Amino acid sequence: GAVVSQHPSWVICKSGTSVKIECRSLDFQATTMFWYRQFPKQSLMLMATSNEGSKATYEQGVEKDKFLINHASLTLSTLTVTSAHPEDSSFYICSASGGHNEKLFFGSGTQLSVL
Amino acid sequence: DQQVKQNSPSLSVQEGRISILNCDYTNSMFDYFLWYKKYPAEGPTFLISISSIKDKNEDGRFTVFLNKSAKHLSLHIVPSQPGDSAVYFCAASGRLYNFNKFYFGSGTKLNVKP
Repeated sequence: GAVVSQHPSWVICKSGTSVKIECRSLDFQATTMFWYRQFPKQSLMLMATSNEGSKATYEQGVEKDKFLINHASLTLSTLTVTSAHPEDSSFYICSASGGHNEKLFFGSGTQLSVL
Repeated sequence: DQQVKQNSPSLSVQEGRISILNCDYTNSMFDYFLWYKKYPAEGPTFLISISSIKDKNEDGRFTVFLNKSAKHLSLHIVPSQPGDSAVYFCAASGRLYNFNKFYFGSGTKLNVKP
């Protein structure tokens, strides 16, 4: 199946710093990528839809200035958590739609811990 | 308002028996459904899908049933194996109105006992 690479897999940062998470589709072109967030024992919550070459579409309640998304190429989308705070600590996962079968392929996730 | 619901947070099954995981949805525009399996601190992995033109799809030990009138789908795993122990998410999409934008249930943690 298609491969989506996400890194870093975990990051610890100080409050107030910014953290960038990368999501790459390795063997297919992804015009659309999705970013999710998961709190412990809760569902994957869709944060935003990232479209190559255009602005991301954010879900209700997600601050676009806080979570900056850039989808500059057909294989790369980045999520930057700006001025991170402890409440931003979470598991972030990206996904991309691959090819003809319309399945979503997921990255391995990034565990963010903000001290 | 959660559009996809998995009302059972956990399920425990004996090895070799059938596991049945349930999922309900509220949006009648959903017409494509997926099941994912997820281990802690890893991304979900795709298991099986079904579109609304079918009411059943089978892949090895995994079968998904869709009841459109009830807005309900279920995943059957038979026989269950200890390696199946994980969290299972169902996801739904309405391709006609928002292609590939999936909504997830809260997950069901399956424990298969040896």
